Amino acid sequence: SQQGEEDPQALSIQEGENATMNCSYKTSINNLQWYRQNSGRGLVHLILIRSNEREKHSGRLRVTLDTSKKSSSLLITASRAADTASYFCATDEEGTALIFGKGTTLSVSS
Amino acid sequence: DTEVTQTPKHLVMGMTNKKSLKCEQHMGHRAMYWYKQKAKKPPELMFVYSYEKLSINESVPSRFSPECPNSSLLNLHLHALQPEDSALYLCASSQVPSGYEQYFGPGTRLTVT
Repeated sequence: SQQGEEDPQALSIQEGENATMNCSYKTSINNLQWYRQNSGRGLVHLILIRSNEREKHSGRLRVTLDTSKKSSSLLITASRAADTASYFCATDEEGTALIFGKGTTLSVSS
Repeated sequence: DTEVTQTPKHLVMGMTNKKSLKCEQHMGHRAMYWYKQKAKKPPELMFVYSYEKLSINESVPSRFSPECPNSSLLNLHLHALQPEDSALYLCASSQVPSGYEQYFGPGTRLTVT
């Protein structure tokens, strides 16, 4: 079953621009995670934000979490062509494994 | 070493064949996972092993049979697969089953003919 829903499904930007992806979910969570997947490869963990945190940064990544609205956003600043990939949010609930959303496909052109 | 390895990278098998996928991690993680991913879709959880015991089986057909010989190894035995089973099979591990990030292997691209 899928809990996270990413928005938009696809995003095309120029190098140097910022990219924002949103994720909405339905039930209470312990944490929310973001992963990146380059075409046909394994997923790479980007950032984990716990339910009692509101914002987290890692390099050019900024993640926010609003548990009242059951939503999260991932901001990639100063995008590069190498950021072209699919991005998935995944929710971690007590007693279950990660549930992945449908993903956002990001295309960064130079 | 934060790597999860998977072999083989690619596998083509007929519907009557028996084959196995292998996954290995040396991070001391006690949870290991098998996912199936179709093109342009998110990973779908198949199995979870927690402390070498099968803890979650997401109603996967019996033609897929997981095995965890020890805390570092995870196998997926395949038998009598169907063409619709063609997909990318991903293995992942985490410190424990909940609350931590998962580390993914590069996957095995399986084609069933």
